[in-house]
Amino acid sequence: EAGVTQSPTHLIKTRGQQATLRCSPISGHTSVYWYQQALGLGLQFLLWYDEGEERNRGNFPPRFSGRQFPNYSSELNVNALELEDSALYLCASSSGLRRSGNTIYFGEGSWLTVV
Amino acid sequence: DAKTTQPTSMDCAEGRAANLPCNHSTISGNEYVYWYRQIHSQGPQYIIHGLKNNETNEMASLIITEDRKSSTLILPHATLRDTAVYYCIVRVAGDKIIFGKGTRLHILP
Repeated sequence: EAGVTQSPTHLIKTRGQQATLRCSPISGHTSVYWYQQALGLGLQFLLWYDEGEERNRGNFPPRFSGRQFPNYSSELNVNALELEDSALYLCASSSGLRRSGNTIYFGEGSWLTVV
Repeated sequence: DAKTTQPTSMDCAEGRAANLPCNHSTISGNEYVYWYRQIHSQGPQYIIHGLKNNETNEMASLIITEDRKSSTLILPHATLRDTAVYYCIVRVAGDKIIFGKGTRLHILP
């Protein structure tokens, strides 16, 4: 069974541009979570989607946004990129709010470099 | 903010059991204890979780004290590949994860 998959693996953008990162959850999972890990720093919660709805948002500016599609895959968009947005962006999935035992599983991440 | 306290770093000799402690004195009755690890720049890997009872799987054992205010993750025979940052997390089923700083475990050859 495939795990959480993320694309692209690496992305280089120029300051001011927009970046789009994609995530496919584990089959059957309806919740998707996004985290940011800047170099040498901790894992910061960004966004949580469940069944197409945004459930929770971390302490990030509005230029960080996302969405979840009907097939439960998700996109994270970062607008007006700043140098400090350079980080590993991790997506995770779980079986969602309606199911018990919903352990969260992580993908391998997308490296975003802003130059 | 993370609801757990872990040592910043620990060392363990290869082949020995690694015992990683975690304090979660404010844990609620409906919160589970989860353990993840992150090997350098990879996605966090789920290890084990429990509510009240001790748990064991192919990777590790989780010992939760009777008052549930602390727990210990045990890696029975540590190898160099177990070198990672280990995160202890308390979480209500269905909720997001808030990560703390974790414990950096060094396995010594």
